[in-house]
Amino acid sequence: DAGVTQSPTHLIKTRGQHVTLRCSPISGHKSVSWYQQVLGQGPQFIFQYYEKEERGRGNFPDRFSARQFPNYSSELNVNALLLGDSALYLCASRYTSNTEAFFGQGTRLTVV
Amino acid sequence: GQNIDQPTEMTATEGAIVQINCTYQTSGFNGLFWYQQHAGEAPTFLSYNVLDGLEEKGRFSSFLSRSKGYSYLLLKELQMKDSASYLCAVSLDRGSTLGRLYFGRGTQLTVWP
Repeated sequence: DAGVTQSPTHLIKTRGQHVTLRCSPISGHKSVSWYQQVLGQGPQFIFQYYEKEERGRGNFPDRFSARQFPNYSSELNVNALLLGDSALYLCASRYTSNTEAFFGQGTRLTVV
Repeated sequence: GQNIDQPTEMTATEGAIVQINCTYQTSGFNGLFWYQQHAGEAPTFLSYNVLDGLEEKGRFSSFLSRSKGYSYLLLKELQMKDSASYLCAVSLDRGSTLGRLYFGRGTQLTVWP
């Protein structure tokens, strides 16, 4: 059984550019959440989707947006990149909101 | 706001036992997670406690006391490969925060030979 998969694994972008990160949850899992982790900190919640609907948004600017597709995969979009957006972006997959949460390998985004 | 507190660093020797504590004050509670994270990698699921008590999985055990807002992760027979950051996270249960995970800053464990 495949785990949570994210693409790409690494990405370098220039300030002001746009980026799209992708996540495929574990088969049968309907909940996908996105987290940002900067060095030395725990992951910070960005978005949660369940059954293709947004169920929560963290304290991030409107430059961050996301969506979930009918097959439960998800995209995280970030516009007008800033240097401070450099981080590890993690996708978490859960069957429902009160079951185990599993993370993908993450996308390492570097903004230069 | 949500507050999750864990020690920043711990050290131990190979073969020893170490206990990593986590205290939390959150608006709602729907379970507590422990994850292991090696440098530059994604968090790996270790345990999920919803009810009070101790759960054991091989060399790893996790304990929860909901009334005290307290959990610990116990690692036995430490190995060099256990050197990593250990993250404590609380899952919330209220309205728009349902299922959201709030993380502590992580405890960096170093295991010495």
